[in-house]
Amino acid sequence: DTEVTQTPKHLVMGMTNKKSLKCEQHMGHRAMYWYKQKAKKPPELMFVYSYEKLSINESVPSRFSPECPNSSLLNLHLHALQPEDSALYLCASSRPGQGNTEAFFGQGTRLTVV
Amino acid sequence: QQQVKQSPQSLIVQKGGISIINCAYENTAFDYFPWYQQFPGKGPALLIAIRPDVSEKKEGRFTISFNKSAKQFSLHIMDSQPGDSATYFCAASMIKAAGNKLTFGGGTRVLVKP
Repeated sequence: DTEVTQTPKHLVMGMTNKKSLKCEQHMGHRAMYWYKQKAKKPPELMFVYSYEKLSINESVPSRFSPECPNSSLLNLHLHALQPEDSALYLCASSRPGQGNTEAFFGQGTRLTVV
Repeated sequence: QQQVKQSPQSLIVQKGGISIINCAYENTAFDYFPWYQQFPGKGPALLIAIRPDVSEKKEGRFTISFNKSAKQFSLHIMDSQPGDSATYFCAASMIKAAGNKLTFGGGTRVLVKP
């Protein structure tokens, strides 16, 4: 199984809503990532979890709150977002450290903030 | 600061032709260089990757050429097919225990005409 599964595929939320994005992988990867991708742009790293601990936060606003409940799951909690936060949110996973560092991406969640 | 520069932004090639995409990086600490293929509405998928101790790597119709002294690497797609029409991203990273943080190039939209 080389899949990273993200739910939901599409999400429309108001600026006062609270929602969560979910990501799951069963490849035994101990590094998991959240990326944000705007149209016609490359993915931009938001957060990195390594062994279930937050290791990198790329100065992301606090209205985005990541959570890694266990080695297979990664959540991104959303609260009080702005319309400019509308984007494709991608989850990825990889083995941390040396050796095989191939990062597998999920299909993404298309988020629209209205 | 854009650490990985990718060119061209877009490319049109006839079926059977060769697509060439170039990338240049600045940070000599980068030690892993993958290429990702992304179709509209999908997450990026790893195509091929190379380490700096190798000058060329070929997988099927896809070849990476790597020039460490020039800090440049390129993707060649031989015998391009309409199904290759996608956006291609080069990337670079430093392999660390904290995870494989990818720095992406700006992307190249490739259109293969039948």
